[in-house]
Amino acid sequence: KQEVTQIPAALSVPEGENLVLNCSFTDSAIYNLQWFRQDPGKGLTSLLLIQSSQREQTSGRLNASLDKSSGRSTLYIAASQPGDSATYLCAVKRAGSARQLTFGSGTQLTVLP
Amino acid sequence: DAGVTQSPTHLIKTRGQQVTLRCSPKSGHDTVSWYQQALGQGPQFIFQYYEEEERQRGNFPDRFSGHQFPNYSSELNVNALLLGDSALYLCASSALTGGLTGELFFGEGSRLTVL
Repeated sequence: KQEVTQIPAALSVPEGENLVLNCSFTDSAIYNLQWFRQDPGKGLTSLLLIQSSQREQTSGRLNASLDKSSGRSTLYIAASQPGDSATYLCAVKRAGSARQLTFGSGTQLTVLP
Repeated sequence: DAGVTQSPTHLIKTRGQQVTLRCSPKSGHDTVSWYQQALGQGPQFIFQYYEEEERQRGNFPDRFSGHQFPNYSSELNVNALLLGDSALYLCASSALTGGLTGELFFGEGSRLTVL
């Protein structure tokens, strides 16, 4: 059974800092890993999708890396802004059960002005 | 280009009642998945529909059922509601032509409160 863990559960940083969010998964046989952002009471917005054959993906100030062999992914946010405050979720699509995503519980990020 | 749309956005029911939630996938998508998200938790997979059939199901009881229509839209039905069914219900769509590695896009969700 795939389990996804995100550490820390909550993080508070001052504006302008660079930060790293962590995601680990127990089964390295995955098709891909996806990072999402969720604002309070809202749906999920896809940020980055990394296929199992890729090492990283970049979009603007966001960079996500994937180390499949060690079961880890990181989301790097450069020059954080108050508008980045949200919950960040990672999810993996496991080989053999490729129709579903398995999510972590998320990291709640607060960027202080 | 409309994204994934869900209705209603909020609803309140009492224990024992039944509820139907609706989802229209993103344009060009033919596969719809449903997830349940309890407060403070990550979403949990309920089931996925493709070609009007349930293709995979998560660890949810038979009280949870669904349907997909020829236009790819979908409904989630929950019978005999329990207090523990209170959650945000999220619909996600993808294109099977994107293969098993395709990206999922989510709607804004339907917030269900069971009293």
